[in-house]
Amino acid sequence: AQSVTQLGSHVSVSEGALVLLRCNYSSSVPPYLFWYVQYPNQGLQLLLKYTSAATLVKGINGFEAEFKKSETSFHLTKPSAHMSDAAEYFCAVSPTGANNLFFGTGTRLTVIP
Amino acid sequence: NAGVTQTPKFQVLKTGQSMTLQCAQDMNHNSMYWYRQDPGMGLRLIYYSASEGTTDKGEVPNGYNVSRLNKREFSLRLESAAPSQTSVYFCASRESPAGNSGNTIYFGEGSWLTVV
Repeated sequence: AQSVTQLGSHVSVSEGALVLLRCNYSSSVPPYLFWYVQYPNQGLQLLLKYTSAATLVKGINGFEAEFKKSETSFHLTKPSAHMSDAAEYFCAVSPTGANNLFFGTGTRLTVIP
Repeated sequence: NAGVTQTPKFQVLKTGQSMTLQCAQDMNHNSMYWYRQDPGMGLRLIYYSASEGTTDKGEVPNGYNVSRLNKREFSLRLESAAPSQTSVYFCASRESPAGNSGNTIYFGEGSWLTVV
C-alpha cells in the first residue's frame, strides 16, 4: 500500500530563513510525487510535481524539491522564507497506473517576522 | 476561468438530514474526485470517477453516495448525516489518459459541512 509521511505537523521559521519540509513515501516502484499548498479557507494549489523527468523539480513561488530514490524522499525547500509562505503544505503520491492521490497529514508552516 | 466549482460553500445539517454537494468542472477532465479533510489527517478519498459512467470507492466511502451525472458534474450525497461527517469536502478533477498518473489534480475551494 502507498503511504506518505510528513515529518513535523508544525514548522516555524524566521522570515528570510531556509524552509525545509520533509516528505517520505513508501513504494517499491517510484511513484509520481506532488507538493500542494493550502492557504486558509482555500482549496489546494499545486506547488510542484515529480514525474521522473528530473530529480530536482522547481515550482512556483521559489519552492523546489528533490527526489531521492535511495532515501524514498521528496523534501520541499525554499532558500528564503517570506511572510506570504505561511500556509499548510501537503505531500502526495500517485502510484504508477493508479487513479488516486494519497496525501500526507500536512505541515503547517509559520513564518516569524 | 472557473476550474472546479463546488456548492454550497457552507452548510449546517441536523443529524439524520440528507444533502447533496454539487461539483462541476469546465476543463474537460475525465476523472473526478471527492475528498474530505479533517485536522491532522490530511485529505482522504471518499469516492472517485475515473470516467463518465463509472464510480469507485475510495478510503472512506461509508455514509456517502455519488453520481457522475455527465462528464462535467460529480455530486456527493449524504443520505443520513452524522456528526462524524462534519468536515471540509473538496471536489477535484484531472485529465487522466490511461496509465498516466502524473497529471495534476485540480481542486475546488471546499465545502464546510457541520452536522449537529
